[in-house]
Amino acid sequence: EVQLVESGGDLVQPGGSLRLSCAASGFTLSDHYMDWVRQAPGKGLEWVGRSRNKANSYTTEYAASVKGRFTISRDDSKNSLYLQMNSLKTEDTAVYYCARSGSYSPNAYWGQGTLVTVSS
Amino acid sequence: DIQMTQSPSTLSASVGDRVTITCRASQSISSCLAWYQQKPGKAPKLLIYKASSLESGVPSRFSGSESGTEFTLTISSLQPDDFATYYCQQYNSYSITFGQGTPLEIK
Repeated sequence: EVQLVESGGDLVQPGGSLRLSCAASGFTLSDHYMDWVRQAPGKGLEWVGRSRNKANSYTTEYAASVKGRFTISRDDSKNSLYLQMNSLKTEDTAVYYCARSGSYSPNAYWGQGTLVTVSS
Repeated sequence: DIQMTQSPSTLSASVGDRVTITCRASQSISSCLAWYQQKPGKAPKLLIYKASSLESGVPSRFSGSESGTEFTLTISSLQPDDFATYYCQQYNSYSITFGQGTPLEIK
């Protein structure tokens, strides 16, 4: 059974940093693209970024709103995906989901999400 | 980025009703369109992919269709469990985008 479990969400001050983790089980992480998607309180879904699979050299893409501040990485030996978030802004407050994806594929599997609150 | 315009912005309906939600893409997305259902405090759940393919385990009362850049989600006979928020998503571009969401409320 495919499972994704996010962790690391917390309250952080503007300008601060945080690293989210997504532990994958039931499949081999290196075979799959992975996305981060966020949802601000009471708002819709926003794609944050993508990590392609090993066959595509783990290349990454980011939304314009986070480019240069957020970095996606992974540790395939731990079957885990990460989102390093720097220079956090109040508008980054959201529930962050990791989701399995693929080239021209939807997000069939999602984690339960982890809440990041950026506030002074 | 490809823009997804979803309508209506809210929808009220009764159990047993047939409802449709529409999503229009700002450019061709080659049927790379998915529909998700989200309940409060939960992750989105994939219902439909490739515009009209039903995800495994999803009830057959859900269906999707497309006409050019316009996509439709239809629920043929609303059940109590269907009251939730629905999102469309285009995945033709690596920069995936979602519609604004349609909360489906009980009338």
